[in-house]
Amino acid sequence: KAGVTQTPRYLIKTRGQQVTLSCSPISGHRSVSWYQQTPGQGLQFLFEYFSETQRNKGNFPGRFSGRQFSNSRSEMNVSTLELGDSALYLCASSRLATSEYNEQFFGPGTRLTVL
Amino acid sequence: GDSVTQMEGPVTLSEEAFLTINCTYTATGYPSLFWYVQYPGEGLQLLLKATKADDKGSNKGFEATYRKETTSFHLEKGSVQVSDSAVYFCALGRGANSKLTFGKGITLSVRP
Repeated sequence: KAGVTQTPRYLIKTRGQQVTLSCSPISGHRSVSWYQQTPGQGLQFLFEYFSETQRNKGNFPGRFSGRQFSNSRSEMNVSTLELGDSALYLCASSRLATSEYNEQFFGPGTRLTVL
Repeated sequence: GDSVTQMEGPVTLSEEAFLTINCTYTATGYPSLFWYVQYPGEGLQLLLKATKADDKGSNKGFEATYRKETTSFHLEKGSVQVSDSAVYFCALGRGANSKLTFGKGITLSVRP
């Protein structure tokens, strides 16, 4: 079974630009979550999508947005990039469960550098 | 809100040494607890988990016990290997809510 895939793996942008990152979950997984990893702040939750709807959201500005398609693939977008947005962006997928914790499976991440 | 605190790092050990990485949490109710590992250039891998008090998670020689009374989930391994060199994250999650709250992570280096 293929794991979570993220594209591109590396990205270099300049301040003020926008960027779109893509995540393909494990087949059969319907939930996709995004995390930002930086040396200073560690791993922080961005948002989660399930059935094309944002189900949960972290404390990030509106410049960070996402969406999910009917095949569960997800994209996240960052507009008006700032130097502080340089980070590793991780995507994680999980199945739906109503009460038990859904184990999350992480992709390798997209390394975004903002110059 | 929920929070996870890990001991400060980095940690450097010799091969076959005993490992303990401390993790404590602040949360109401009964969250699930996890240890994730991140090898250089890779994403996170679930190492082990415990979903209720007194549960012991174990995998690849690593163990951690969910201690409700001390709000702790310390990671241990009796004999580390060079291949265990990685960054280790303690995390907390709740039910079907997929959001994970992570500790800062700690870098473990094991020398031959």
